[in-house]
Amino acid sequence: EAGVTQSPTHLIKTRGQQATLRCSPISGHTSVYWYQQALGLGLQFLLWYDEGEERNRGNFPPRFSGRQFPNYSSELNVNALELEDSALYLCASSLESWGEQFFGPGTRLTVL
Amino acid sequence: EDQVTQSPEALRLQEGESSSLNCSYTVSGLRGLFWYRQDPGKGPEFLFTLYSAGEEKEKERLKATLTKKESFLHITAPKPEDSATYLCAVQAIGTTDSWGKLQFGAGTQVVVTP
Repeated sequence: EAGVTQSPTHLIKTRGQQATLRCSPISGHTSVYWYQQALGLGLQFLLWYDEGEERNRGNFPPRFSGRQFPNYSSELNVNALELEDSALYLCASSLESWGEQFFGPGTRLTVL
Repeated sequence: EDQVTQSPEALRLQEGESSSLNCSYTVSGLRGLFWYRQDPGKGPEFLFTLYSAGEEKEKERLKATLTKKESFLHITAPKPEDSATYLCAVQAIGTTDSWGKLQFGAGTQVVVTP
C-alpha cells in the first residue's frame, strides 16, 4: 500500500513569492493534515481538511491556506513568503478524524 | 493550554544498553498519545497509539507505556539502527481548538553507538 506522497521534495522561493505544496493521502483516507517543522521549533499544526472542508487551523496567519480536492488530495498555499517560512512542511493523513496520522516525506521550503 | 514535554533532549547509548524516554503531558482530556520515530530530513514514522492509563504496546525492541500524566518509551538492547529522534504527541478532547491536531513534544534525539 502506497504511503502519503508529497511534491515537490524541495522548493526554493524568494521573499514575497507564493509557494504551492501538494499532498496525496493514503488510499481510503479522507482526512489530511498539514504541519510545519521549522528548525528549533518542533512540529506545529497548520491545517486539517476532512471531506473537502477545512475543519481546524493552527495559530498561523491567513497567508497560509489550502484546500482539499474531491479525490482527497490537498494543496497548501503560502502567500507573501517570509524568510521565517523556511521549514519542512509535512502532510499526514488518517482514516478517521481521531485516528493515527501517517506522515509523508515532507517538502523542504527555502525562502531566500 | 495543552503541553507536551519530552526528556531527555538527547541520549547517547552503547549498543545493548537499555534506557527509557519520558513524555509528560498536560491536557484537558486525552483522546490518545502517539509515539513517532523521525530520521533526519524525513517525515515521522508512526510507532504506537496509547489511549488509557495502564496500556502498553510493544514492537521489536520498543515498548510504550502510559499513565495519567506521562508516557515512557523503553528501548531494550538498542542497535545502531534505532538511532533517531523519537517524538511524542497528544490528541486532546475538549475545545474545538484541539480538533484533529496533534500537539508534539520537542523530541528526544537518540544515538546508539556500536
